[in-house]
Amino acid sequence: GAVVSQHPSWVICKSGTSVKIECRSLDFQATTMFWYRQFPKQSLMLMATSNEGSKATYEQGVEKDKFLINHASLTLSTLTVTSAHPEDSSFYICSASWTASSYEQYFGPGTRLTVT
Amino acid sequence: AQKVTQAQTEISVVEKEDVTLDCVYETRDTTYYLFWYKQPPSGELVFLIRRNSFDEQNEISGRYSWNFQKSTSSFNFTITASQVVDSAVYFCALSGQGAQKLVFGQGTRLTINP
Repeated sequence: GAVVSQHPSWVICKSGTSVKIECRSLDFQATTMFWYRQFPKQSLMLMATSNEGSKATYEQGVEKDKFLINHASLTLSTLTVTSAHPEDSSFYICSASWTASSYEQYFGPGTRLTVT
Repeated sequence: AQKVTQAQTEISVVEKEDVTLDCVYETRDTTYYLFWYKQPPSGELVFLIRRNSFDEQNEISGRYSWNFQKSTSSFNFTITASQVVDSAVYFCALSGQGAQKLVFGQGTRLTINP
């Protein structure tokens, strides 16, 4: 159980366009979802935390107007990279947990974004 | 502030050797959780272990073992009789009291050579 999927698994877009990444919890209801970014050969850095029905909480240094996060249901969160630039090229990973106090996070397989 | 340090950036050993990956953490919380994840070339994170701050017992799972020492704020990971399939990047992570978000270490790239 506790499976998290991401779509797409990889995407290439042109500079200036927007791209949406979906994160779904397939067999549980995720009250909280997290979005991480991982640059090549680097660690995972938390971008934001989103609770279903609430605005996302962004980490310091992450532009909320550039990285739009929507957590409209208990099984779906989306990350939209607006006006993408080559420096946004990265591996984006989501995770989900099913209670507000749960320390367990289940990770999606990641989405590799390349901006040309 | 919470911090996780994995001082070993890369480790390369020959198959069947034992290898230990170091993890040192910093936190002011009295209750916290420590994790190890494996990230193979595919990129998907594989959960290996979770340990809470009140449980200092060492754990063994097959060829994997973990040594948690609060006195030195360390949570080291040992692979015994390493195999080529163990090649991956390994991350140590920490989450604090009342907070779910994970703070990851820099990761250790482990290469097991045949």
